[in-house]
Amino acid sequence: EVALVESGGGLVQPGRSLRLSCSASGFTFGDYAMSWFRQAPGKGLEWLSFIRSKTYGVTTEYAASVEGRFSISRDDSKSIVYLQMNSLKTEDTALYYCARDGIGDTFDIWGQGTMVTVSS
Amino acid sequence: DIQMTQSPSSVSASVGDRVTISCRASQGISSWLAWYQQKPGKAPKLLIYASSTLHSGVPPRFSGSASETDFTLTITSLQPEDFATYFCQQAYSFPLTFGGGTRVEIK
Repeated sequence: EVALVESGGGLVQPGRSLRLSCSASGFTFGDYAMSWFRQAPGKGLEWLSFIRSKTYGVTTEYAASVEGRFSISRDDSKSIVYLQMNSLKTEDTALYYCARDGIGDTFDIWGQGTMVTVSS
Repeated sequence: DIQMTQSPSSVSASVGDRVTISCRASQGISSWLAWYQQKPGKAPKLLIYASSTLHSGVPPRFSGSASETDFTLTITSLQPEDFATYFCQQAYSFPLTFGGGTRVEIK
């Protein structure tokens, strides 16, 4: 079964760091680009970051709201995509999802999400 | 950045009704638009990509259409499991952007 499972969320103080992980199974992870999204409580979806496959140079894209603070990476040998989040702000509080780019930058497989709460 | 304006923000409908949700892009995005369904406490699910192609396993009562920068998601004969929030997403260029969502509620 194709699946994505996020982990690493939690409660963190403003200014601190957190690393999220997204573990993939059931498909050839290295063949796909991956992305991170978030959804603040009661709000809409926000795209955060994107990483291409090795075929496309493992290049990355970021939303302006997180560029310079967040960093996406991948380990194809472990089928994991990471989101390193630094200098966290209270407005980063949200449910964070990873998703597989299945079809032309649209996302056909999503994880269940991991909650990040930034508060003192 | 490409802005996606989705309307209405909510709609009340009954089982069996036809529901139409609109999404307008601030600039041309060709057919690079997707629609997702999200139920409370769950991750989004891809319904339609490339503006009108039904994702695998999605019932044919869902359909998508496009006219220049205007995109439409239509649900014919609304079913109880269709009560959810729907989002559009442009896949034309980075940053990827979403519409604000449309909540389909039971009338």
